[in-house]
Amino acid sequence: KQEVTQIPAALSVPEGENLVLNCSFTDSAIYNLQWFRQDPGKGLTSLLLIQSSQREQTSGRLNASLDKSSGRSTLYIAASQPGDSATYLCAFCSGSARQLTFGSGTQLTVLP
Amino acid sequence: NAGVTQTPKFQVLKTGQSMTLQCAQDMNHEYMSWYRQDPGMGLRLIHYSVGAGITDQGEVPNGYNVSRSTTEDFPLRLLSAAPSQTSVYFCASSYPGTRNNEQFFGPGTRLTVL
Repeated sequence: KQEVTQIPAALSVPEGENLVLNCSFTDSAIYNLQWFRQDPGKGLTSLLLIQSSQREQTSGRLNASLDKSSGRSTLYIAASQPGDSATYLCAFCSGSARQLTFGSGTQLTVLP
Repeated sequence: NAGVTQTPKFQVLKTGQSMTLQCAQDMNHEYMSWYRQDPGMGLRLIHYSVGAGITDQGEVPNGYNVSRSTTEDFPLRLLSAAPSQTSVYFCASSYPGTRNNEQFFGPGTRLTVL
């Protein structure tokens, strides 16, 4: 059974700082990995998707990496802004029906 | 193109009542699924469907029923609500050939069972 762990559970940084969010998983038989953003009381917004055969994806100030051999993924946020404050969730897609297994999230606060 | 829609947005039930959470998508996605999110936890899979007429159980299926009579709709039924089912429920859909199965989520239904 796939287990997904995200550390830290919460993170507070000053504006402008570069930061890394971590996600680890136990089963390397994944189809893809998605990083989501969730604002308080809202739904999930997809940020980046990395295919199993890829090692990283970039979108603007965001860069996500995938290392199946070590069972890890990271989300790098450059030049953080207060608007980046949210909970970030990683999810691994596997199985015949492409089910997602989620981590419990990292709550990020960027201080102005 | 509305994406994934869910109704209602909020619902309060008494223990033992039944209700149906609605989910619809207009993207012709084959795969649809239901997740619940509880405080301090990630989302957990309740039920999923790979196409009309085909459903299967996820990680936490007890107390919930689903059916998939059309590609567009995937309702989640609570037959006899319990306080343990107080949660936020999210519906998701995806198409295997679209951006390697990127999944799209609805805005959620916040359910309280008293």
